[in-house]
Amino acid sequence: AQSVTQLGSHVSVSEGALVLLRCNYSSSVPPYLFWYVQYPNQGLQLLLKYTSAATLVKGINGFEAEFKKSETSFHLTKPSAHMSDAAEYFCAVANRDDKIIFGKGTRLHILP
Amino acid sequence: DAGVTQSPTHLIKTRGQHVTLRCSPISGHKSVSWYQQVLGQGPQFIFQYYEKEERGRGNFPDRFSARQFPNYSSELNVNALLLGDSALYLCASSLGTVGAEQYFGPGTRLTVT
Repeated sequence: AQSVTQLGSHVSVSEGALVLLRCNYSSSVPPYLFWYVQYPNQGLQLLLKYTSAATLVKGINGFEAEFKKSETSFHLTKPSAHMSDAAEYFCAVANRDDKIIFGKGTRLHILP
Repeated sequence: DAGVTQSPTHLIKTRGQHVTLRCSPISGHKSVSWYQQVLGQGPQFIFQYYEKEERGRGNFPDRFSARQFPNYSSELNVNALLLGDSALYLCASSLGTVGAEQYFGPGTRLTVT
């Protein structure tokens, strides 16, 4: 069964610094990989989606993720963190049945 | 256009009671999925419905049931509530085609005492 592992339940970065949130998927290449963001007391918002069309995926709010098959990774990055980026981030995988399997999440803290 | 809506936003129930949660998908979306998010964890898949038929079911007991109506809205029912059912219940809608993006509602926060 497909699964994702997010490394680090909490990540802190200074405002203006690089954001790197790590995600590894299970060994078989999934059709779809996602990053979602969840702000306090809100539902999930899709940041970006990998569909095998391109290994570097650009999303909203300046985020992007790179699919690396050799490392079974799909890490999320943003060049310069903003205070408004503080939230919970979820990596997720979906098969062709559209059932989304989420990781446990990484809470991103932005330090002033 | 309105996004996915869920009702109620908050709910407090007692152990053993029954609860019904409601979801209205984005107009034109035919698929609805339900997820349970326990505090500090990622969402867990419960059900997916497409064109009023159950398309998928997660690893949840039979106390959990759902249905989808002709207008594509959906209900999630949970019987014999347990303390462990306390969670944020999220509904997501999509067009239902393979790989279609799922759009999430704000969720219903259920507290079981």
